[in-house]
Amino acid sequence: DARVTQTPRHKVTEMGQEVTMRCQPILGHNTVFWYRQTMMQGLELLAYFRNRAPLDDSGMPKDRFSAEMPDATLATLKIQPSEPRDSAVYFCASGLVRAEAFFGQGTRLTVV
Amino acid sequence: AQSVTQPDIHITVSEGASLELRCNYSYGATPYLFWYVQSPGQGLQLLLKYFSGDTLVQGIKGFEAEFKRSQSSFNLRKPSVHWSDAAEYFCAVEGGGADGLTFGKGTHLIIQP
Repeated sequence: DARVTQTPRHKVTEMGQEVTMRCQPILGHNTVFWYRQTMMQGLELLAYFRNRAPLDDSGMPKDRFSAEMPDATLATLKIQPSEPRDSAVYFCASGLVRAEAFFGQGTRLTVV
Repeated sequence: AQSVTQPDIHITVSEGASLELRCNYSYGATPYLFWYVQSPGQGLQLLLKYFSGDTLVQGIKGFEAEFKRSQSSFNLRKPSVHWSDAAEYFCAVEGGGADGLTFGKGTHLIIQP
């Protein structure tokens, strides 16, 4: 049963620390999304990769966030330095162009 | 740019009653449209999708949705809801460009016994 795998599922960190979230997309998918979900803003698109190249990362605060796909089996989202306002659930999703996206279980980040 | 509006933040329905969740989209051409459901603490699960063809699409868990181009709508329906349908429902649009998949703010469905 193919699925998107995200690690860690939960992360508590202190303000100023670096946070790295990882995502293993479904094999064969060529699009990867990173979303942030909060009560106030809902689902916000942070980054969008197609064939490992970033298509859109306009939703991401560039000074502290970075997203990469070092290879087709791994996508990473990094926050450095982290701030309390970054506390949210971060979802990774993968799919094919013009098709549905499959979501991971999310990483719940708490920055204290 | 593409966008999605879900006008109802919360909806309360009695168990066994019918359900309709509204979704309006903005996109220049014919978009790809989706409905997702999210249970507490879980990721999003696809309920159904519309790409082309028959404008009434069937999904999982007894849900269906109808694409109406003239109204730019893609409303989700279910004839009889169950307590297990209580969840957050998201409508999404995908245009194939650099915008990727755009979601509405979601509708929180509450089921009354």
